[in-house]
Amino acid sequence: SAVISQKPSRDICQRGTSLTIQCQVDSQVTMMFWYRQQPGQSLTLIATANQGSEATYESGFVIDKFPISRPNLTFSTLTVSNMSPEDSSIYLCSAGTGSDTDTQYFGPGTRLTVL
Amino acid sequence: LAKTTQPISMDSYEGQEVNITCSHNNIATNDYITWYQQFPSQGPRFIIQGYKTKVTNEVASLFIPADRKSSTLSLPRVSLSDTAVYYCLVGDGRDDKIIFGKGTRLHILP
Repeated sequence: SAVISQKPSRDICQRGTSLTIQCQVDSQVTMMFWYRQQPGQSLTLIATANQGSEATYESGFVIDKFPISRPNLTFSTLTVSNMSPEDSSIYLCSAGTGSDTDTQYFGPGTRLTVL
Repeated sequence: LAKTTQPISMDSYEGQEVNITCSHNNIATNDYITWYQQFPSQGPRFIIQGYKTKVTNEVASLFIPADRKSSTLSLPRVSLSDTAVYYCLVGDGRDDKIIFGKGTRLHILP
């Protein structure tokens, strides 16, 4: 298994600013992912964070809005850029530790409120 | 990725066995069935995974019929702390990503 931590756990930000969320895994992992979850809703995959290359974004998400870094096998960041109130959500990272990446481990999430 | 259908919500009482069924009619030969549990204000947690027949661990059992077009997560003797959202996912891992459905919101009553 893997233990995943995220920073910050929550933040309140002003419209037009940017926030970078950090995700740290306690062991080297092959895959890392970023999700968004609105209150009471399911998780929506934003992108796959690829180590050593550009992230792979899902439909509806673009690099300019959600730049992602993955400098090594244990760490990734997601930036929410030029925020608006519609970006208020919980952002979660996850990691896949084996060849069957249906088994993923999730961080506790970052609760973002944009005023 | 195969689409899954599961009940939006379920209620049960402490001490009861709870069965949540998930339909996945388009499951592919190489697909596994995986269930996650999510408590409020936490990320999802892996519960159990199976390919066919029955799988049991310390948390739950997973029953998969021969045609694999559905699966049932069984939680024995639930307690209030089992109140959570349960997600059924189907995939073979080759896409290297998970797509979550709406999940089943399970509410355990005293």
